[in-house]
Amino acid sequence: EPEVTQTPSHQVTQMGQEVILRCVPISNHLYFYWYRQILGQKVEFLVSFYNNEISEKSEIFDDQFSVERPDGSNFTLKIRSTKLEDSAMYFCASRGVGLNTEAFFGQGTRLTVV
Amino acid sequence: DAKTTQPNSMESNEEEPVHLPCNHSTISGTDYIHWYRQLPSQGPEYVIHGLTSNVNNRMASLAIAEDRKSSTLILHRATLRDAAVYYCILMDSSYKLIFGSGTRLLVRP
Repeated sequence: EPEVTQTPSHQVTQMGQEVILRCVPISNHLYFYWYRQILGQKVEFLVSFYNNEISEKSEIFDDQFSVERPDGSNFTLKIRSTKLEDSAMYFCASRGVGLNTEAFFGQGTRLTVV
Repeated sequence: DAKTTQPNSMESNEEEPVHLPCNHSTISGTDYIHWYRQLPSQGPEYVIHGLTSNVNNRMASLAIAEDRKSSTLILHRATLRDAAVYYCILMDSSYKLIFGSGTRLLVRP
């Protein structure tokens, strides 16, 4: 069964440092997403990406965040200057075209900012 | 943001059927009803989705009310592995999933 893969599984970084979280979506999917989940809280939408551009972003996705699809297979989330409150699980997801398709999620990257 | 209402938690005995309800009274005609679940320490996992007709797959069944204002996810025989948070989500033309608080399902052995 196809799957979304995320690396690394766990990232520890110092406050103020830049981090890049990586995702390999399912190959024929065209919609890509990043979500985050702070420990014990809801899964929160960050950004959706289609046709090489951001289609929608939430209030959480401020100027510190950026996404990129650098080579046609990877989909990355960059946090420019991490804050303690960025500590969370970050999930990548992808799906095909149309409302009648399901999304597939990766297993997540646990980001710990110290 | 979530446009669905679910009970916070439900309990079931192992090997028994489970019916997880969801209300979505403001659903529009083109919204699909999606269900996902999240097992402990894992990413969300697709369960099932539908538009108007009831749907069955290897994991579950989805019963959709005739007026589409509610739906029920049916696990035919709950196992311990089904203990998770189950999310009922409406997929609209924005193509994004907005997660609510979901229903935490506890399965008793």
